[in-house]
Amino acid sequence: GAVVSQHPSWVICKSGTSVKIECRSLDFQATTMFWYRQFPKQSLMLMATSNEGSKATYEQGVEKDKFLINHASLTLSTLTVTSAHPEDSSFYICSASETSGGPYEQYFGPGTRLTVT
Amino acid sequence: SQQGEEDPQALSIQEGENATMNCSYKTSINNLQWYRQNSGRGLVHLILIRSNEREKHSGRLRVTLDTSKKSSSLLITASRAADTASYFCATDLPYNTDKLIFGTGTRLQVFP
Repeated sequence: GAVVSQHPSWVICKSGTSVKIECRSLDFQATTMFWYRQFPKQSLMLMATSNEGSKATYEQGVEKDKFLINHASLTLSTLTVTSAHPEDSSFYICSASETSGGPYEQYFGPGTRLTVT
Repeated sequence: SQQGEEDPQALSIQEGENATMNCSYKTSINNLQWYRQNSGRGLVHLILIRSNEREKHSGRLRVTLDTSKKSSSLLITASRAADTASYFCATDLPYNTDKLIFGTGTRLQVFP
């Protein structure tokens, strides 16, 4: 089946630094990738949608200058949390889809736990 | 917002019992999906049901969809301890089938 990986699986960083999280589709080409944020015992909240080679579309309330998304190839998308603060601590999950225009299945990565001290 | 609400928030049962989770949403949809998440992990797709379908089965899973009530249910029969996880429904939007809006989730614990 389709596999999506994330790296790192967990990261601790100091307040004010930037952190990059990678999301890769290992055995398929991802037309679209999605980034979600999940707080403990809560649901996933969509942050942004990215298509290869174009700018990401951010959801309302998500700061695009703080959460930089780059979808450089059909197998790689990155999320950079810039000038991280403790309130950015969360579980970040990416997903990827082979097609757009639905219905389709999103394949999820294992998530990255970010802790900002 | 479109975010679905799931009921119950938490459910504890014994192995062998059935588990039923319900999901309600607010606007019309094209498709509804159910996902499972083990603690601290990513999501696993369980089943997709289209708006013109009323029921779908996959192994021990049975999903129903009532578009008139804007609700869906997930039934897990003969539950096992390994079914312990959080379960989320996810809907698309009538004008955008690419985006998924997740429900609040049900945390299921199955005791051996």
